[in-house]
Amino acid sequence: QVQLQESGPGLVKPSETLSLTCTVSGGSISSYYWSWIRQPPGKGLEWIGYVYYSGSTNYNPSLKSRVTISVDTSKNQFSLKLSSVTAADTAVYYCARVAVVGVTSAIQYFDLWGRGTLVTVSS
Amino acid sequence: DIQMTQSPSSLSASVGDRVTITCRASQSISIYFNWYQQKPGKAPNLLIYAASSLQSGVPSRFSGSGSGTDFTLTISNLQPEDFATYYCQQSYSNPWTFGQGTKVEIK
Repeated sequence: QVQLQESGPGLVKPSETLSLTCTVSGGSISSYYWSWIRQPPGKGLEWIGYVYYSGSTNYNPSLKSRVTISVDTSKNQFSLKLSSVTAADTAVYYCARVAVVGVTSAIQYFDLWGRGTLVTVSS
Repeated sequence: DIQMTQSPSSLSASVGDRVTITCRASQSISIYFNWYQQKPGKAPNLLIYAASSLQSGVPSRFSGSGSGTDFTLTISNLQPEDFATYYCQQSYSNPWTFGQGTKVEIK
């Protein structure tokens, strides 16, 4: 079955760029939207953005100036870059697949999640 | 942004109980609405999508209802594995937002 796995540094210094990759195994990255979601320790979930396999993106406006999400279909991977990080960006970062139901009134939801990776921002 | 407000924030219940969690959206979102379950140290898991559609593999004791601004998740016959935190989420407009979570604890 399809599985997602996040990878990347667990520690990032303030003002630097956080970079994570999500590898999709057991299925193709094509024909889906792929998303990043984060969860600060002990807190709730925040949607960061998504990328379509074609490369088109949609970001949370609160993070848009610092976020880039990209896809590499040849490697079956998609990636997150978050620049100018601060301690407030410390969180567990999840990658997830976005399922879409319907055509004219498409309903979207996260039907498959990676296990998550903790990224700590600290000097 | 559309605010999603869950109630209660936490509740205590016993095995076999019927549990109801509500989520209210700050504006109408039709049925662009989903429920997730999260256990400690684990990723969230989709339970209900489009307000009332049960995700494949999810036990039938979970059910969802509502449209517009008010939504409900019901767990009938609560099982030990159901003690977790539940989140609602809207995908009506950017940014997609989650509720603050409802923690279901053992009484």
